[in-house]
Amino acid sequence: AQKITQTQPGMFVQEKEAVTLDCTYDTSDPSYGLFWYKQPSSGEMIFLIYQGSYDQQNATEGRYSLNFQKARKSANLVISASQLGDSAMYFCAMREADTGRRALTFGSGTRLQVQP
Amino acid sequence: NAGVTQTPKFRVLKTGQSMTLLCAQDMNHEYMYWYRQDPGMGLRLIHYSVGEGTTAKGEVPDGYNVSRLKKQNFLLGLESAAPSQTSVYFCASSLLPHTTYEQYFGPGTRLTVT
Repeated sequence: AQKITQTQPGMFVQEKEAVTLDCTYDTSDPSYGLFWYKQPSSGEMIFLIYQGSYDQQNATEGRYSLNFQKARKSANLVISASQLGDSAMYFCAMREADTGRRALTFGSGTRLQVQP
Repeated sequence: NAGVTQTPKFRVLKTGQSMTLLCAQDMNHEYMYWYRQDPGMGLRLIHYSVGEGTTAKGEVPDGYNVSRLKKQNFLLGLESAAPSQTSVYFCASSLLPHTTYEQYFGPGTRLTVT
């Protein structure tokens, strides 16, 4: 079964509007972390935001916020006031505490295009 | 503080050739990882290391070997390259194994096997 599912292969948004990128996850581990990374066309992986499974409040980092709904196992990324520089691939990832390796499991990504 | 660096950035190999990708980090991180990214997919874990002298297999280890002789370096080897290994390879490191800590990624190595 897919551990991380991103159902939107591509999204368009107008500049200055908000956009939500969907992510659902599957785990039986009570302790886990959810991450969002941005990958621009240059290829590097840029960390955006983190949400822990025990965190009571949704994480926020500047224009990024994470809409964490634990019961639904969803961790959607909200980007407010989109900018042209937000055009990129966005990956949702999970890190489970129960596995010794503590590696990230990634979704297949969403390509966001911001239109002027 | 260079973070995570990878050498080389690009490489073209012929089928059957061998090569080693070098990952170096200067953050004194314990955990290091090698991932591969194929078109239209997220990153998949090849091998990882939880400390100097240790290595372990990830999701897609076949055809690769790794070594971590020094804490700051993590090497990924392809003994006999195959076209299926054409991919972008990312190295990452993490300070501690706690789920809070983000992984820091290198810039990637684009490998083409013809």
